Amino acid sequence: NAGVMQNPRHLVRRRGQEARLRCSPMKGHSHVYWYRQLPEEGLKFMVYLQKENIIDESGMPKERFSAEFPKEGPSILRIQQVVRGDSAAYFCASSRQGSQETQYFGPGTRLLVL
Amino acid sequence: GQNIDQPTEMTATEGAIVQINCTYQTSGFNGLFWYQQHAGEAPTFLSYNVLDGLEEKGRFSSFLSRSKGYSYLLLKELQMKDSASYLCAVRVSNYQLIWGAGTKLIIKP
Repeated sequence: NAGVMQNPRHLVRRRGQEARLRCSPMKGHSHVYWYRQLPEEGLKFMVYLQKENIIDESGMPKERFSAEFPKEGPSILRIQQVVRGDSAAYFCASSRQGSQETQYFGPGTRLLVL
Repeated sequence: GQNIDQPTEMTATEGAIVQINCTYQTSGFNGLFWYQQHAGEAPTFLSYNVLDGLEEKGRFSSFLSRSKGYSYLLLKELQMKDSASYLCAVRVSNYQLIWGAGTKLIIKP
């Protein structure tokens, strides 16, 4: 049973470009969470999605950031017009159900903005 | 506000025992998790406590006291591969986790 998959593992962008991060949840999981981790800091919740629904995006900046989890295909975290402060590790986690379930993490995407 | 505190770094000797503490002050409490994270890798689930007391799982044990807002992770018979960061996280709603900054554990031979 494959775990949570994320790609790319590393992404380099110049300021002003767009970054697209992909996450495929574990088989049988329909709930996806995105987190951001800065060096020496804890994970910060960004957004929680179910298939075709954004349940909670309270941790995601209102501008430039968006997320989706379509009926078919992976969840996408999209960052438009990236700035240097967006450089971080972005982790995706999934759970079988949303409530009371353990979250299992993917290997993360390390975004570097030049 | 939400606050989770853990020591930044700890050092221990191979074969020994180490206890990593976590204190929390959160608006809600729906369980506490410990994850292990090796450098450059994903956090991996270690343990979950929702009731007071000790949960033992092989070489790892986790303890919770809800009245004190306190948990610890106990690692026995330390191995070099246990060198990693250990993350404490509190579930404050049905799904939302608040994370500590992690404790970097260094194991020396």
